[in-house]
Amino acid sequence: DQQVKQNSPSLSVQEGRISILNCDYTNSMFDYFLWYKKYPAEGPTFLISISSIKDKNEDGRFTVFLNKSAKHLSLHIVPSQPGDSAVYFCAASARQGGKLIFGQGTELSVKP
Amino acid sequence: DAGVTQSPTHLIKTRGQHVTLRCSPISGHKSVSWYQQVLGQGPQFIFQYYEKEERGRGNFPDRFSARQFPNYSSELNVNALLLGDSALYLCASRAGVDTQYFGPGTRLTVL
Repeated sequence: DQQVKQNSPSLSVQEGRISILNCDYTNSMFDYFLWYKKYPAEGPTFLISISSIKDKNEDGRFTVFLNKSAKHLSLHIVPSQPGDSAVYFCAASARQGGKLIFGQGTELSVKP
Repeated sequence: DAGVTQSPTHLIKTRGQHVTLRCSPISGHKSVSWYQQVLGQGPQFIFQYYEKEERGRGNFPDRFSARQFPNYSSELNVNALLLGDSALYLCASRAGVDTQYFGPGTRLTVL
């Protein structure tokens, strides 16, 4: 049973435009959510996180939105840059610092 | 400060062999977790250790074991390797309840 789902395997965006990556979850016990970025042959790099007590968190070009009633979160990247091209994973945990449950990833391609 | 380090970078083994993977957490981090990532999927949780005690175990067979040392470094051991154990093995460390930070991984190939 896939508790965290990223239904779009890939996304292509023009440089300067907004990238929106989506993630859905089924476990209502999840209370902490994270986004990681991964280049080939490297480990995941932490981007941004959000606690279930918030519905938005911003860090520079990256904003994460959480809709608890819909069990949905999204990552917005504005403006998108070619260096943002990578695989993005959303992850969730039932307590901050607990084991992470990952989605399958979305490969973002930002074209110049 | 150095990030999470893992060794070796790559490893090739044959079926039935045993493998030991090593991880050094970020300085000051007392918790280490191990994940397995197969191609096309997200990382899957294997173990979590905090202060040398196992705090969580994922749905992996008993062939997988781990331990954490007094200096908070960790080893992941896999016995009786199968072809399906071929994957990228990731180690993550965290301080307290903070975010988990990942190392570069060890790419294991089982022939």
